[in-house]
Amino acid sequence: GAVVSQHPSRVICKSGTSVKIECRSLDFQATTMFWYRQFPKQSLMLMATSNEGSKATYEQGVEKDKFLINHASLTLSTLTVTSAHPEDSSFYICSAGGGYHEKLFFGSGTQLSVL
Amino acid sequence: KQEVTQIPAALSVPEGENLVLNCSFTDSAIYNLQWFRQDPGKGLTSLLLIQSSQREQTSGRLNASLDKSSGRSTLYIAASQPGDSATYLCAVYGQNFVFGPGTRLSVLP
Repeated sequence: GAVVSQHPSRVICKSGTSVKIECRSLDFQATTMFWYRQFPKQSLMLMATSNEGSKATYEQGVEKDKFLINHASLTLSTLTVTSAHPEDSSFYICSAGGGYHEKLFFGSGTQLSVL
Repeated sequence: KQEVTQIPAALSVPEGENLVLNCSFTDSAIYNLQWFRQDPGKGLTSLLLIQSSQREQTSGRLNASLDKSSGRSTLYIAASQPGDSATYLCAVYGQNFVFGPGTRLSVLP
């Protein structure tokens, strides 16, 4: 089946620094990728939809200037958490595919801890 | 606004039992519904995808049904095994993806 690679799997950073998370579709082209975050014991929450070659679409309440999304190619989308703070500590997951007839495939997730 | 709920929130069963997980959604205007499993601290694995025009899908010991008009889906797991222990999530795709809160399953040896 389709494979989505996400890294790093875990990152610890100091407050105020920026962190970049990469999401790659390894064996298929993904015109659309999705970014989610998940707090402990809570459901996945969609943050934004990343479209190749255009600006991402952010969900209500998600700061686009804080969570920068770049989808420069059909196989790579990146999420940059800028000026991270402890409240940004969460599990971030990307996915590719999905849509009308397509399965949604997920990366393995990134556990971000901001000290 | 689409809302997805899952019952039960947690379930603990002895190995070998057949079990049913439930997913309900409020807006029946969906394209498909998907079931996932999530292992602790890891990403999600897609289990079954049911298109809105389908009634059920089967994969191995898993069977998922969809009743779009009543806003319900069930995931049936036959002959449960300790390796099935995980959180099971359903997600509906309409205007966007909406996930349920999940059911934490523990299968005891």
